[in-house]
Amino acid sequence: DTGVSQDPRHKITKRGQNVTFRCDPISEHNRLYWYRQTLGQGPEFLTYFQNEAQLEKSRLLSDRFSAERPKGSFSTLEIQRTEQGDSAMYLCASSSLAAGVYNEQFFGPGTRLTVL
Amino acid sequence: QKEVEQDPGPLSVPEGAIVSLNCTYSNSAFQYFMWYRQYSRKGPELLMYTYSSGNKEDGRFTAQVDKSSKYISLFIRDSQPSDSATYLCAMSGSSYDKVIFGPGTSLSVIP
Repeated sequence: DTGVSQDPRHKITKRGQNVTFRCDPISEHNRLYWYRQTLGQGPEFLTYFQNEAQLEKSRLLSDRFSAERPKGSFSTLEIQRTEQGDSAMYLCASSSLAAGVYNEQFFGPGTRLTVL
Repeated sequence: QKEVEQDPGPLSVPEGAIVSLNCTYSNSAFQYFMWYRQYSRKGPELLMYTYSSGNKEDGRFTAQVDKSSKYISLFIRDSQPSDSATYLCAMSGSSYDKVIFGPGTSLSVIP
């Protein structure tokens, strides 16, 4: 399977615990995006990387959230001191960065987080 | 006011019907307009994209963009039960920028 993969697919945690999610993008895709989707809503942008550089962070990304993309390959999203409001689907997407064409974002299956 | 508005539905139609899905937006900087389809418990998948104003057709799907009215539409002809999903309109300022999504419209096509 050469698509975007995310791990774990489901995570249940207690309030106050830390969680970390992993995203493996499509090979050789320069850009990697994180979105969050709650029930009945569309995905909301959190942050994105170009190679290993984090270029933009949404105001939704509080200081409890941190994302990394070491060596420009896979990415991790960590949430510290989880709150019930963090319960959502966390989606990762990747795209190439080619001039003159539309760079489609390919989404992974998401990690569903439930905070009890 | 949200940047992108979309009627959440749910929308239920008989098989073979023509479906019309619509979105309005407020940011005139958007240049790319997309429609994604999302099945339950899956990530969104891109159906079509349009650059600037105009129409684009792909099989049973037609996308329309009217930038002057800040209004976009997706038409599905001869709808099939396999079209049952949530349809998300989305927009971005460039071909590689972050995507701003509408809340999605849930569609059911009844055999």
